[in-house]
Amino acid sequence: KAGVTQTPRYLIKTRGQQVTLSCSPISGHRSVSWYQQTPGQGLQFLFEYFSETQRNKGNFPGRFSGRQFSNSRSEMNVSTLELGDSALYLCASSAGTGSQPQHFGDGTRLSIL
Amino acid sequence: GENVEQHPSTLSVQEGDSAVIKCTYSDSASNYFPWYKQELGKGPQLIIDIRSNVGEKKDQRIAVTLNKTAKHFSLHITETQPEDSAVYFCAASGGTSYGKLTFGQGTILTVHP
Repeated sequence: KAGVTQTPRYLIKTRGQQVTLSCSPISGHRSVSWYQQTPGQGLQFLFEYFSETQRNKGNFPGRFSGRQFSNSRSEMNVSTLELGDSALYLCASSAGTGSQPQHFGDGTRLSIL
Repeated sequence: GENVEQHPSTLSVQEGDSAVIKCTYSDSASNYFPWYKQELGKGPQLIIDIRSNVGEKKDQRIAVTLNKTAKHFSLHITETQPEDSAVYFCAASGGTSYGKLTFGQGTILTVHP
């Protein structure tokens, strides 16, 4: 069974630009969660989608948004990029019912110049 | 919201020794506690998890214990090997926190041959 796939693996952007990251979950998984990982703040929850609906949201500004498609693939968008948005962005998929194990992709490394 | 504290931040052991990592959580509604291993350049990999209706779970050299009253849970690795060297994260979730894992700050485990 293929794991969680995130594309692209690396991105370099400049301040003020916007970026879209993609996540393909494990086949059959309907929930996709997004996390930001930085050395200073660790792993922080951004949001979760299940059946194309956002069910939960972390404490990030509105510049961070996401969506989920009918095939469960998910995208995350960050607008008006700031230097502090440089991070590893991880997505995780799970069956989505109750507290199910989350399986992570290898992330997208975003660098803001 | 949930807060997870993890100790120690770094742990150095000799090959064959045991390693113990401890976490505490704040939200009594949390009922699912996974542990992840993250190697350089990779996403977190689920290594073991435990639910609140169980006090202990073991998988070969890895075990997790949970004390709901004290809100503590611990990871035990026996007969450590150099390939166990990585960053380990504990996490907690539950209640209506759909898809949200709250992570500890991580422990850098180094196993010396």
